[in-house]
Amino acid sequence: NAGVTQTPKFRILKIGQSMTLQCTQDMNHNYMYWYRQDPGMGLKLIYYSVGAGITDKGEVPNGYNVSRSTTEDFPLRLELAAPSQTSVYFCASSHTPGQGLYGYTFGSGTRLTVV
Amino acid sequence: KQEVTQIPAALSVPEGENLVLNCSFTDSAIYNLQWFRQDPGKGLTSLLLIQSSQREQTSGRLNASLDKSSGRSTLYIAASQPGDSATYLCAAHITGNQFYFGTGTSLTVIP
Repeated sequence: NAGVTQTPKFRILKIGQSMTLQCTQDMNHNYMYWYRQDPGMGLKLIYYSVGAGITDKGEVPNGYNVSRSTTEDFPLRLELAAPSQTSVYFCASSHTPGQGLYGYTFGSGTRLTVV
Repeated sequence: KQEVTQIPAALSVPEGENLVLNCSFTDSAIYNLQWFRQDPGKGLTSLLLIQSSQREQTSGRLNASLDKSSGRSTLYIAASQPGDSATYLCAAHITGNQFYFGTGTSLTVIP
């Protein structure tokens, strides 16, 4: 049981480059989320999805895009990387909120540096 | 918007001491509250999840309580060990689709 898998674990980008952070879960969770964590700060929600084909903005969506073509996958796209996007990115998933016994399951994170 | 506050921001205790970490939230209409542990440079590991209908959950030396009326949750760690040193985060799930995270309490247990 792999849980939530994120790739890559580390990446250095130059300003203006693009990349996709991959996230896959094998728990059949409906809900998936992307957070960023900056030093000394709490986790900030970037985008989330309540099911395949449905996505919505979180607290800090600017500069990012997402898609959810399958239940399992929720990639995060950075189109024009900026130094302000240097952060650690976490993908998470959960069952439908308010139901079941489970909260979040997190991936191990992607550490992104934009230079 | 839900505000989640964790006090203290940092805590240092000698090994063997019992300790309490605090989490406050402003919106009492929560579905559940979850406590996580984060080791430096690592992801988040779920410790305990308390549903809104529950008052506490226990796992080993950890006990988490939830008081919705006062907007508080506490994480009690018994007989602390150096291996408990980490940052502890709470996350409140309110109506809608978002969990709101506190900024964490950094715990150091001194041998």
